[in-house]
Amino acid sequence: DSGVTQTPKHLITATGQRVTLRCSPRSGDLSVYWYQQSLDQGLQFLIQYYNGEERAKGNILERFSAQQFPDLHSELNLSSLELGDSALYFCASSNRGRSGTDTQYFGPGTRLTVL
Amino acid sequence: ILNVEQSPQSLHVQEGDSTNFTCSFPSSNFYALHWYRWETAKSPEALFVMTLNGDEKKKGRISATLNTKEGYSYLYIKGSQPEDSATYLCAPFGGGADGLTFGKGTHLIIQP
Repeated sequence: DSGVTQTPKHLITATGQRVTLRCSPRSGDLSVYWYQQSLDQGLQFLIQYYNGEERAKGNILERFSAQQFPDLHSELNLSSLELGDSALYFCASSNRGRSGTDTQYFGPGTRLTVL
Repeated sequence: ILNVEQSPQSLHVQEGDSTNFTCSFPSSNFYALHWYRWETAKSPEALFVMTLNGDEKKKGRISATLNTKEGYSYLYIKGSQPEDSATYLCAPFGGGADGLTFGKGTHLIIQP
């Protein structure tokens, strides 16, 4: 158990809908990262927040957004969902903002299925 | 986003044998390299973060080396055990604001 929690574990929804995935980092960690793992792709970095502010951005679609709250939990919002958004979404956390050298601890993931 | 390649894609090894696999990345744009171990139905678990050329890190029977000049890292497992069966991912970081780039991994299966 890494200490990172994600809810929900599974989510099934329809195309066109909007969902919110939630992540709570390990106690004391200031950075939260979001990743997408789909069948035909490896782990893709989406976005990083450090202490409430966006720190790094990867292949995140415009239909997706994220934020980190004052209590350091983070939410990933996915809107106008398409079939291709079906994937496993991981959150990770680290204790500083240096994504290159910080060890990242991964949560259990949220499995999103869009029908 | 860096171009990272891992080989082989999959590997079957007899229990007790030692094995190794490779992660290749652009040497011209390097800041750090991460290795992760990902067991089926679990989440990726950090093994090592390496930054210096010639770095060698060890965790139990698993060790890794880094050559930043030629752009590769090796992961070694000594005396493989069934619990070593997993996908091993490497993720170089180029120093930019675009996070880690993960390779597709080496899927290791230890046969008893």
